[in-house]
Amino acid sequence: AQSVSQHNHHVILSEAASLELGCNYSYGGTVNLFWYVQYPGQHLQLLLKYFSGDPLVKGIKGFEAEFIKSKFSFNLRKPSVQWSDTAEYFCAAYNQGGKLIFGQGTELSVKP
Amino acid sequence: DGGITQSPKYLFRKEGQNVTLSCEQNLNHDAMYWYRQDPGQGLRLIYYSQIVNDFQKGDIAEGYSVSREKKESFPLTVTSAQKNPTAFYLCASSIGALATQETQYFGPGTRLLVL
Repeated sequence: AQSVSQHNHHVILSEAASLELGCNYSYGGTVNLFWYVQYPGQHLQLLLKYFSGDPLVKGIKGFEAEFIKSKFSFNLRKPSVQWSDTAEYFCAAYNQGGKLIFGQGTELSVKP
Repeated sequence: DGGITQSPKYLFRKEGQNVTLSCEQNLNHDAMYWYRQDPGQGLRLIYYSQIVNDFQKGDIAEGYSVSREKKESFPLTVTSAQKNPTAFYLCASSIGALATQETQYFGPGTRLLVL
């Protein structure tokens, strides 16, 4: 079955540290990829998405992600995290049946 | 102010009881979805609807039912057949469905707890 995996379940960082959250998907061919974020008490919202073109995608709040086809990866990065980045982050990809498949989520805690 | 609303924010279910979660959108989206979120499992698709009066089972539809009588509304009923209903339920919508470049927009969620 097509799947999306996030290997980091809980990441704890200090403010100003760099962030990289891993995301791997299990299938080849054309793939459309998303990162969503869920801040405490708020809606799940879109951070960024990749459909085609430049594999380095920039999103809101200084986040970016790089699509590496050969590694089936779409890792999320931020050079310097802030306390306000504390949230749960979800990677997602559409499968070939048109359903959006989510990873398990990564909880990020940023210490002030 | 466009968006997706879900009510109630918290819902308590007794043994053997059916409960209904509300989802309304004013984005004029054709497609709507229900997901279940459990810790460490991400979001799993329960049901989705591409158009009024039509809906399809997702990956974990057992114990749930839906209706889509109006474009704006997609209520989810958690029936007594759902043996483990405690979870956070998220409703989403997109302009279309089964189109792999659609961004899905999410509501604030309903937390269901069993008494």
